[in-house]
Amino acid sequence: GDSVTQMEGPVTLSEEAFLTINCTYTATGYPSLFWYVQYPGEGLQLLLKATKADDKGSNKGFEATYRKETTSFHLEKGSVQVSDSAVYFCALIGNTGNQFYFGTGTSLTVIP
Amino acid sequence: EAEVAQSPRYKITEKSQAVAFWCDPISGHATLYWYRQILGQGPELLVQFQDESVVDDSQLPKDRFSAERLKGVDSTLKIQPAELGDSAMYLCASSRDRFNSPLHFGNGTRLTVT
Repeated sequence: GDSVTQMEGPVTLSEEAFLTINCTYTATGYPSLFWYVQYPGEGLQLLLKATKADDKGSNKGFEATYRKETTSFHLEKGSVQVSDSAVYFCALIGNTGNQFYFGTGTSLTVIP
Repeated sequence: EAEVAQSPRYKITEKSQAVAFWCDPISGHATLYWYRQILGQGPELLVQFQDESVVDDSQLPKDRFSAERLKGVDSTLKIQPAELGDSAMYLCASSRDRFNSPLHFGNGTRLTVT
């Protein structure tokens, strides 16, 4: 079945460091891919999405490119800020539109 | 920007008691989801509605959990009786439709069962 695998956390970075959070997926057909962010005590917020191969989703300085050849959707940011501290979830929905599949989440802490 | 409303934000209940959560999705969103999120894990789908109909409740523990969306708008998730293992965050989400539309989440209800 469809699934998402994220890199294990937690991740701790200094402010202005480069961020990569790895995400790979297993799905039949052509899923749509998403990154969600969850701040403490809140629900998940959509960060960015990509709906077809080679699409690049971007928002708030974060980017992820849909790589069908490597079945990956890695999240990157060139210079993280303390306010980026949160848990990040990779997710997919298959092209049958049945349900979303979430990764286990990667906790990011950015220290000044 | 429109939001998904959930209440209450926090609920503490004793084991074997009944508890209910309410969700009001973004206006016009036909699809509504209830997820359970255990601390340190990703959300797990409990039930999915399309309008007032249940599309997927395969992961809902039906011996104690029930969900309804009678008029295809707001929804209620009930647990009776609550067990210690039900302590978790219960998240409601909605989307415009079932096919590739992103989910919009509420802030959740944090349930603690003592």
